[in-house]
Parts: sequence; C-alpha cells; structure tokens
Amino acid sequence: DSGVTQTPKHLITATGQRVTLRCSPRSGDLSVYWYQQSLDQGLQFLIQYYNGEERAKGNILERFSAQQFPDLHSELNLSSLELGDSALYFCATSGGGTGELFFGEGSRLTVL
Amino acid sequence: GQNIDQPTEMTATEGAIVQINCTYQTSGFNGLFWYQQHAGEAPTFLSYNVLDGLEEKGRFSSFLSRSKGYSYLLLKELQMKDSASYLCAALRDPSGGSYIPTFGRGTSLIVHP
Repeated sequence: DSGVTQTPKHLITATGQRVTLRCSPRSGDLSVYWYQQSLDQGLQFLIQYYNGEERAKGNILERFSAQQFPDLHSELNLSSLELGDSALYFCATSGGGTGELFFGEGSRLTVL
Repeated sequence: GQNIDQPTEMTATEGAIVQINCTYQTSGFNGLFWYQQHAGEAPTFLSYNVLDGLEEKGRFSSFLSRSKGYSYLLLKELQMKDSASYLCAALRDPSGGSYIPTFGRGTSLIVHP
C-alpha cells in the first residue's frame, strides 16, 4: 500500500461525457503528478501540482484539466470524452528528496 | 525533447540473471529511476541512480552512465514473481525547479521455469 488513494477504481462512460478522477496523496506529500497509461503509449505525464499550484504540464489535452485543493487532494477532470481516452489514469505523489514517486492504484476509464 | 528507449520484451529462465537496458536523451537530466509494474497494478519503486556507477539492492542492481545516457537493471536469481514490466524513467528538470519523471514504454519480462 503506497498510501496514495485514487477513486474511482473503475469507470465506464460514453463518448461526449465528463468524468472526475480523485486522488488523495500520502500524508505530508505536497507534490501530485497525473499520468495516463494506455497499451500503446506507456506512462505519459499529464500534469503536476505542488502545494496547490500548477508546476509542470506534459501531454495534457485541452479537454482535460486538473486542480489541487488546500487539503492537497487533487482532481483530474476529463471532458468531451473520446474512445481514445480509455486508459488507466495514475496519480502519484512525491515528498521531495530524490523525486521518487508513490503511485495510487489507478482509475481505469473505459469510454464506450 | 526527451527520448527513452528500452526493449519491448525479454524472456529468461527461473534462477538466471537478466539485464534490462535503457538509453535516454533528455534535457535537464537529474537521475534515473527503475520501477516494476505487474499487470493491472501500480508501478512500484525499485531504484534511483543519480551518480555514475552501480547501486546494489538485494537481487536487484542498477547502473548509470551519465556520459553515455545509459542505464541497466540487473536482476539475479530470477523468480517467477519477477515476471512484470520494468519501467525506466529519467528524472528531468526542463524549466527549473520542477522535477518530472519521464517514463519509457517499459520492458515486459517473462520468467519461465
């Protein structure tokens, strides 16, 4: 158990819909990263927050957005969903130091 | 830009030794991670190298050469449970102040009896 909690674990929805994925970091971790993992792409970095502020952006689509709240939990919002958005979405947190990431169990999104 | 390459798949025999290579080209490089990921599960941390050389941790060792942009993960005394995907990740700081682990596509290791 990494101490990082993600909900929901599984989500099935239709094209055009909007979903919100939630992540609760390990106690004391200020940095939250979101990654998307699909079969053909591996782990793709989406976005990072640190103590409530956006720190870095990767290959995140404009249809996707994220935020980190004062209690440090984070949400990833995916809108106008397409079939290609079906993937495993991981949240990971880091307490600093080496930058080692602790991953949540992921949210598996299926868009039909 | 960044580019991280590792073999797609490797097979090995239980009890043997296997070496998984990773080459990287990335700006703002600040270290190299190896993670293990079983199918359908979250990646878990194995090792981190920031300086050149070999880091040993039980049956697993990791090597880094910064000048060559090269790392490997060495797994000894292979067990069936080592069948998993092994992810190489370069820690980079592209814009100053924020370290981002960038992952390769992973090497699927199959250990057979």
